[in-house]
Amino acid sequence: GQQLNQSPQSMFIQEGEDVSMNCTSSSIFNTWLWYKQDPGEGPVLLIALYKAGELTSNGRLTAQFGITRKDSFLNISASIPSDVGIYFCAGQAVPTSGTYKYIFGTGTRLKVLA
Amino acid sequence: GAGVSQSPRYKVTKRGQDVALRCDPISGHVSLYWYRQALGQGPEFLTYFNYEAQQDKSGLPNDRFSAERPEGSISTLTIQRTEQRDSAMYRCASSIGQGKAEAFFGQGTRLTVV
Repeated sequence: GQQLNQSPQSMFIQEGEDVSMNCTSSSIFNTWLWYKQDPGEGPVLLIALYKAGELTSNGRLTAQFGITRKDSFLNISASIPSDVGIYFCAGQAVPTSGTYKYIFGTGTRLKVLA
Repeated sequence: GAGVSQSPRYKVTKRGQDVALRCDPISGHVSLYWYRQALGQGPEFLTYFNYEAQQDKSGLPNDRFSAERPEGSISTLTIQRTEQRDSAMYRCASSIGQGKAEAFFGQGTRLTVV
């Protein structure tokens, strides 16, 4: 099935460091969602973005809707051990074909070293 | 309900049997999505409903897979004549509307075909 490209695929960082990851698409999207998934759990919604250029924060997390509408970025500041997990982006395309499905990224696996 | 509820949480079935997976969305959410997720991968779109109407079923792998949402609330994903390759985590998500809306996931159903 179709998936968005996320980068990096995985990363190890030291506690207290900032983290950046991104998601790219070949299509224009009008909504971006960012999720975190812990082992054995379902994806948990972190941030929703609805407008090109929009910058939205949720605690130490900040996400941006790229101005080209083909990418999005997630930053985590001052990482802590509980930030470990897999982060997924999801995009919803302009519904020219009548579908409002969300397409997910391949995921960025984050490991935080104490 | 308070969150998206899926049942059963785990299902083990013999190859060739039919299975039905249930999703109860968040109360008031009119859009409902079904995804399949392989271990370590992002959710892969299967189908989605707006109210009782199945708007997009382009992600269903073959005609053994079907879904319904007859009253616009609870949905059932049915897999007929299961095969081992159908083994996966099946996830349901709901949103308050189909465009520019946050989608919330349930805990999923782990299907194992033996």
